[in-house]
Formats: sequence, structure tokens, C-alpha cells
Amino acid sequence: AQSVTQPDIHITVSEGASLELRCNYSYGATPYLFWYVQSPGQGLQLLLKYFSGDTLVQGIKGFEAEFKRSQSSFNLRKPSVHWSDAAEYFCAVGARGNKLVFGAGTILRVKS
Amino acid sequence: EAGVAQSPRYKIIEKRQSVAFWCNPISGHATLYWYQQILGQGPKLLIQFQNNGVVDDSQLPKDRFSAERLKGVDSTLKIQPAKLEDSAVYLCASSLEVLMETQYFGPGTRLLVL
Repeated sequence: AQSVTQPDIHITVSEGASLELRCNYSYGATPYLFWYVQSPGQGLQLLLKYFSGDTLVQGIKGFEAEFKRSQSSFNLRKPSVHWSDAAEYFCAVGARGNKLVFGAGTILRVKS
Repeated sequence: EAGVAQSPRYKIIEKRQSVAFWCNPISGHATLYWYQQILGQGPKLLIQFQNNGVVDDSQLPKDRFSAERLKGVDSTLKIQPAKLEDSAVYLCASSLEVLMETQYFGPGTRLLVL
């Protein structure tokens, strides 16, 4: 069965610092991978997705993620964090039939 | 383009009462999903519709949860009777019919069962 692990429940970074959120997945076939962001009281917004091709994927708001098959990872990065990036971030793997399996999320706090 | 609409945004009920949530997907999106997001967890798929047919309801607690998507557009999710552990955010999402298309999420309905 497919699963997603986000090892960090909370992460705190200083504004302007770089960010990396970790995601490891388990899936028997070639995965479709997603990162979503959820602000308090809001639904989920897609940041980026990986289906195939270039393993470095660019998304919205300056985020990028790198697919590493050998490590079963799809880590999210941003070179310089802004206070507005404070939110909860979810990694997900797409399974058969377009079903999404989500990780438990990582809460990002940004300190000024 | 209007996004996914959900109502109500918040609901508080007593256990053993019933409750219903409504979702209107993005126009033209054939696939509609209901997710349950318990505090501290990621969303979990409850049911997936393709037009007005059910594609996947393997994680729907069918003894108390039901969902329908009449006419293949908007959808309702019902809980009857509610339990304390049903307290969660219920998210609706929609996507085009094509495999692995992006899912667009609504703002969710936050349910508290007392």
C-alpha cells in the first residue's frame, strides 16, 4: 500500500533563511508526487507536482522540489523564506485512480 | 474561474445527531472527492465520484456515512448518527477526468461533535 512520511511535525526558520521540508514515500510503481500548502482555515493549494521527466520541479511562490528515486524522497525547498510562507505543508503520492495519499503534514513557523 | 464551494463552513452538533455537508465543484470537473482531515493528520479520502458514479468508497464508514452526487455536479456528504471521533474538517475537491489531473480543494467544513 502506498504511504507518505513527513518526519518533521514542526519546523521553525528565520525569515530570509533557506527551507527544506522532507518527504519520503512508499509506492510500488512510478509515483506521482505532490506538495500542497494549507493556511489556517483554508483548503489545500497545490504548490507543485511531479509526474515524469526532469526530477527538479519548479512550483509557485518560489518553491521547488527534487524527486530522488533511489531515496524514495521528494523534498520541498525554498531559498529564502517569507513570513507569509508560515502554513502547514502536505506531501502526497498519487495512487491508482487519481487517489491521493497524504502525509501527516509539517507546520512551518517563520520567525522575524 | 470560481473555485470549489462548500457549505456550511462550521458546524457544531451533539453526538448521535445527523449532519450534511454540501459541495459544488469547479464547473466542468467530472471527478469529485470527499476527504476527512482529523486534527494533526493529513486528509484521508472518503469517497471519489466520477460524474455521478462512485469510483472508490473503500474508506467510507458506510454504517454512518453516505454521499451522493445526483446529476453529476454538486454533492452532499451525510453523517448519521455522528460520533465524537467524526470531529474533523471535511474537504471537497474536484478534478478534470484525465488521470492524475490536479485536484482543487474547497475551504472545508469544520465539524465539532460534542
